[in-house]
Amino acid sequence: GQQVMQIPQYQHVQEGEDFTTYCNSSTTLSNIQWYKQRPGGHPVFLIQLVKSGEVKKQKRLTFQFGEAKKNSSLHITATQTTDVGTYFCATSNFGNEKLTFGTGTRLTIIP
Amino acid sequence: DAGITQSPRHKVTETGTPVTLRCHQTENHRYMYWYRQDPGHGLRLIHYSYGVKDTDKGEVSDGYSVSRSKTEDFLLTLESATSSQTSVYFCAIKAGTGNTGELFFGEGSRLTVL
Repeated sequence: GQQVMQIPQYQHVQEGEDFTTYCNSSTTLSNIQWYKQRPGGHPVFLIQLVKSGEVKKQKRLTFQFGEAKKNSSLHITATQTTDVGTYFCATSNFGNEKLTFGTGTRLTIIP
Repeated sequence: DAGITQSPRHKVTETGTPVTLRCHQTENHRYMYWYRQDPGHGLRLIHYSYGVKDTDKGEVSDGYSVSRSKTEDFLLTLESATSSQTSVYFCAIKAGTGNTGELFFGEGSRLTVL
């Protein structure tokens, strides 16, 4: 199946600093999804990107899909304590119903 | 939360015993999934189902079996639990079809195998 590498594994930032997590693949992706999991919780869908070079924003969150559709990023501007959690990217092969997840980036905020 | 219920939420069992986890949905979605989550590994797909009695393997299916006798229930069975199967298990349903459907997850079932 499709494999994606996600970096960094951990990120500690001061409240108010920016945060970015990256998702990379050696093959072209049909789509990329992003999920957030709060500590002790379950993953929650944030967004999906399907087009080459696509950029979507949700308040302080900016999601990008690379031109070659082999990488994606999630950027959070001016982090807040509510942003704490693990962020996962996920993807599936063309015509495939299996969704493969990256290993996640765990974000902690220093108040 | 898309009407997904997992049971039990917590279970402690001994090596060699059978264990069944249940996922129940109320919204008649076709696709259902079982993932396990372990530190450093993220979420790994165990099995998934694309309809009643239609299932397929994921990347970590060894030691697990599944059944889906009706649309609303997807069961995950460990025939003989091992300590390596200690994990948090998440069930998910897929909204929509094709590559573009998002997953809705249950609350998770924490399994400890002693």
